[in-house]
Amino acid sequence: GAVVSQHPSRVICKSGTSVKIECRSLDFQATTMFWYRQFPKQSLMLMATSNEGSKATYEQGVEKDKFLINHASLTLSTLTVTSAHPEDSSFYICSASLAGEDQPQHFGDGTRLSIL
Amino acid sequence: GNSVTQMEGPVTLSEEAFLTINCTYTATGYPSLFWYVQYPGEGLQLLLKATKADDKGSNKGFEATYRKETTSFHLEKGSVQVSDSAVYFCVIGRRALTFGSGTRLQVQP
Repeated sequence: GAVVSQHPSRVICKSGTSVKIECRSLDFQATTMFWYRQFPKQSLMLMATSNEGSKATYEQGVEKDKFLINHASLTLSTLTVTSAHPEDSSFYICSASLAGEDQPQHFGDGTRLSIL
Repeated sequence: GNSVTQMEGPVTLSEEAFLTINCTYTATGYPSLFWYVQYPGEGLQLLLKATKADDKGSNKGFEATYRKETTSFHLEKGSVQVSDSAVYFCVIGRRALTFGSGTRLQVQP
């Protein structure tokens, strides 16, 4: 149980394109989902916390107009990288957990975004 | 804010060797502590966790104890196998998580 599906797994596109990444909790309802970014040989950095039905909470230094997050249902959150540029190339990972503290987070397999 | 420091890799061991991966943290409040593992070509998986001081998390022969006095959560295994080769992340938090940089473990037959 507790499977999180992330799609697509890999995207290669031209500079200026907007890219949408989906994160779905397949067998549980996730009131909160999290979006992380991982640069090569570095750790995961939290970008934003996505709450169902409300605005996402962004970490300091993350541009909310660049990284649009929508959490329209209890099983789906989307991250849209708007007008992507080469510096946005990275590995993006989402996670989701059941309600309540100390619930483990379940991670998607990540999306490798490459902007040419 | 929270931060996690874990030993740099790669760590290369022979099969059946003893493993320790050090992890220390700084945090506000009382976070839960986790070890996540990423096997080659796979996503992140929770390996073990501890939610309060002196708790010991264990799974698949791995253990880690929540040491509040030393702010540490070192990962240990008495006898590693080739199948344990992966990247291990020390992680702290309650809801939003803070990750360590990851330690790559390579176990040779």
